[in-house]
Amino acid sequence: DIQMTQSPSTLSASVGDRVTITCRASQSISVWLAWYQQKPGKAPNLLIYKASSLESGVPSRFSGSGSGTEFTLTISSLQPDDFATYYCQQYNSYSWTFGQGTKVEIK
Amino acid sequence: EVQLLESGGGLVQPGGSLRLSCAASGFTFSSYAMNWVRQAPGKGLEWVSVISSSDGRTYYADSVKGRFTISRDNSKNTLYLQMNSLRAQDTAVYYCAKAVRMQLWLPGSWGQGTLVTVSS
Repeated sequence: DIQMTQSPSTLSASVGDRVTITCRASQSISVWLAWYQQKPGKAPNLLIYKASSLESGVPSRFSGSGSGTEFTLTISSLQPDDFATYYCQQYNSYSWTFGQGTKVEIK
Repeated sequence: EVQLLESGGGLVQPGGSLRLSCAASGFTFSSYAMNWVRQAPGKGLEWVSVISSSDGRTYYADSVKGRFTISRDNSKNTLYLQMNSLRAQDTAVYYCAKAVRMQLWLPGSWGQGTLVTVSS
C-alpha cells in the first residue's frame, strides 16, 4: 500500500484563521488525491478531488494543491462549521489509502 | 434521495466469516461504482474495496486482499462484502458508499454503517 501521512494530527485554531494541513505520500501519486471532512457521528464529505478540484457545493474557502508526494489543504478563513477531522485519500494505485486524519479544534 | 442501508454486522469469532449487504435506492445503482470503507471505534477511515458499476472490476486494500470479496447484484440494487478469516483488527463500522460520479469512483454518499466485532 502507498502510505499517507498527515500533519499535524491535531490543530488548534480560531475563527478567521488561515489553516493548512499537509499530506505526504510514500511514493508519487501524481494528482490522484482527495480531501474529506468528517464531523463527529457523521459520514465524511468530499471536499477536493484530483488534488485541487473543488467538489460541487463546497465553499470556496477550501482549496487544495500539490502533486507527486506532497499536498496541502488550505482553509482561507476558518468558520465555526469547519471544526472537524480532515482526511486525505490517495487513489493513484489499485489499493487506495487514507491518511490518519487531522483534527481541527477550537483554540 | 440516495439511500444506502447496510446490514449483516455482528459479533464473530476470530477466523470466522460474515457477509455484509448494502441495499441501495434513490439512484440508478447499476451506473455507479460502489465502495466499502471501515472505521474502527474512535479511529480513522480505512478504505476497504471498490467495485465497478457493471463489468466486475474490483480493487482491495492490502490489509483485506485474499480474505474479503466485494460483489454486487444490479438486479437487486444490492452491494455485498464477504469477509472470511476475520481478525480482531477487522473490528470496525463498515460503510458502503456510492461513487461521487460515474467517472469518479471516490466515496460520495455514505450509509449509516454496520458494526462488525471480531472477538472470542
